[in-house]
Amino acid sequence: EADIYQTPRYLVIGTGKKITLECSQTMGHDKMYWYQQDPGMELHLIHYSYGVNSTEKGDLSSESTVSRIRTEHFPLTLESARPSHTSQYLCASSEAGDRLGYTFGSGTRLTVV
Amino acid sequence: AQSVTQPDIHITVSEGASLELRCNYSYGATPYLFWYVQSPGQGLQLLLKYFSGDTLVQGIKGFEAEFKRSQSSFNLRKPSVHWSDAAEYFCAVEGTGGFKTIFGAGTRLFVKA
Repeated sequence: EADIYQTPRYLVIGTGKKITLECSQTMGHDKMYWYQQDPGMELHLIHYSYGVNSTEKGDLSSESTVSRIRTEHFPLTLESARPSHTSQYLCASSEAGDRLGYTFGSGTRLTVV
Repeated sequence: AQSVTQPDIHITVSEGASLELRCNYSYGATPYLFWYVQSPGQGLQLLLKYFSGDTLVQGIKGFEAEFKRSQSSFNLRKPSVHWSDAAEYFCAVEGTGGFKTIFGAGTRLFVKA
């Protein structure tokens, strides 16, 4: 079944640790996105990609980085986690050229202690 | 600047009653409009979308939405709410020419028996 997968679902990690949030989709979508979601707030775009070897920063300043070496894979990395990074991170994908909306993963809830 | 406003942070509706969730947007041209639903611990799921044509669009799970250009609104409706509809609902707008999707802050729906 075509879908988008995020791992881990929950992560508690100490300050200063390096972490990578995984996102994979099986739909062959060219466009992929990372959003940060906090309770009662708009979703904020932190990174996006329009295809392999294409990555851009979003509207929200973020200390994270992303890579897009394969169409299906779009991991997000925090080199040194801080408590301010505590949030839910949502990965999404969409087809290029079609306004069909996004398919979202189930999210990773990150807590930095 | 482009924006999406969902005026109601939360709404409580009795099961079987009708529902209307409000969404107002600010965008210079005709936007692409979306409604998403997020159940607890899950990612967002696309309910419906509007691109052009008929201003009343039908979506999944019995939802519909009406685009009113004069009011810059795209309100979501359901004639009879079920307890399983309790979730958070997000309105989103996407423009043309590389304008990326902007999400509202969401409206949390509570359904009482």
